[in-house]
Amino acid sequence: KNQVEQSPQSLIILEGKNCTLQCNYTVSPFSNLRWYKQDTGRGPVSLTIMTFSENTKSNGRYTATLDADTKQSSLHITASQLSDSASYICVVIALTGTASKLTFGTGTRLQVTL
Amino acid sequence: NAGVMQNPRHLVRRRGQEARLRCSPMKGHSHVYWYRQLPEEGLKFMVYLQKENIIDESGMPKERFSAEFPKEGPSILRIQQVVRGDSAAYFCASSPGQGQGAYEQYFGPGTRLTVT
Repeated sequence: KNQVEQSPQSLIILEGKNCTLQCNYTVSPFSNLRWYKQDTGRGPVSLTIMTFSENTKSNGRYTATLDADTKQSSLHITASQLSDSASYICVVIALTGTASKLTFGTGTRLQVTL
Repeated sequence: NAGVMQNPRHLVRRRGQEARLRCSPMKGHSHVYWYRQLPEEGLKFMVYLQKENIIDESGMPKERFSAEFPKEGPSILRIQQVVRGDSAAYFCASSPGQGQGAYEQYFGPGTRLTVT
């Protein structure tokens, strides 16, 4: 069964600190992996996309890693800001023709405090 | 270029009523996906449609739920005879279906359905 598991479920950090979120998946076939940010009451917004051959990708203060052998990914957030408070969702994507099938993790709820 | 639009943003229905959720894809996108997010859970795929065709409805409950994407107008997710367990956020996503980024899905803001 295709699954995406994330840890921790929730996390509280002080503003300015760094944090790392984890994602393990058992999705097949694998095409790419995305991390999404979902603010409360809004739809998910893509932060990064990782293909099979990519190990690391950065987008500003967000850095994602992917180990396709162990089927693990991480999202590292540096110098956190209050606006980073949101759910971060790991999504594994399988492509079939021009359709994409997304398997979502349940997310890590991050709260950044003063 | 407006993003994916969903309406209403919030919908309250009594048990037994019908709920109609609308999704207007991004301009130029011909593929629409519907997802459901129950409280404290991840998004779950429901149905994938192209114009006038249901391509994959493997995530749709067998009864009371239906979806359409007509030639003209928005995609509609219809839930008949709603029950309390239908309370959730329903997200729509669209993708171009061709060209560069054919499969990339862009999400709408969601419709929050509350069944009382």
